[in-house]
Amino acid sequence: AQTVTQSQPEMSVQEAETVTLSCTYDTSESDYYLFWYKQPPSRQMILVIRQEAYKQQNATENRFSVNFQKAAKSFSLKISDSQLGDAAMYFCAYRSVANFGNEKLTFGTGTRLTIIP
Amino acid sequence: EAGVAQSPRYKIIEKRQSVAFWCNPISGHATLYWYQQILGQGPKLLIQFQNNGVVDDSQLPKDRFSAERLKGVDSTLKIQPAKLEDSAVYLCASSIDRNTEAFFGQGTRLTVV
Repeated sequence: AQTVTQSQPEMSVQEAETVTLSCTYDTSESDYYLFWYKQPPSRQMILVIRQEAYKQQNATENRFSVNFQKAAKSFSLKISDSQLGDAAMYFCAYRSVANFGNEKLTFGTGTRLTIIP
Repeated sequence: EAGVAQSPRYKIIEKRQSVAFWCNPISGHATLYWYQQILGQGPKLLIQFQNNGVVDDSQLPKDRFSAERLKGVDSTLKIQPAKLEDSAVYLCASSIDRNTEAFFGQGTRLTVV
């Protein structure tokens, strides 16, 4: 079974600065997807960024980028120019490439990000 | 495009009572998921539907939890009887198919007292 570990329960960053959230995972599969989700107080999980394991290029979405190290099974999220609206819980998640019945997301325990004005 | 709708937003019940949650996925989404998120943890899959068939219910406590997805659209999740440890947020998500992004609803926060 796959596991996802987020070792930073809480992080804080000054507004406009850069912060990196860590995630490691364990799997025996060679092809899979990795995600970062944001969960604000409204509780709705919002997809921030997605990485396909077979792609060597790190995914980027505006101010959000990842550092995907497949051999090290590491998948960190970098948020540049942090904004007050970035404050939320961030969850790292793993998903197998869809074999029927194996598409569930496996989540880490989350990192609470606080933005300091 | 309307998102995933869930109701109610909040529910408080006494232990041993029953409760039901409702989810309306995004139109046209064939895959529907129910996740349980206990405070301080990441969401855990309870059940996955593909249209109206169950794909994965391996982590659903079947002695007290049940779920159905009639006509491959709306879904209900029921707990009977509830236990204190069922206090959690129940999230519904849907996706067009098994390989695409899942969109989440705002969840139902259940408190069992």
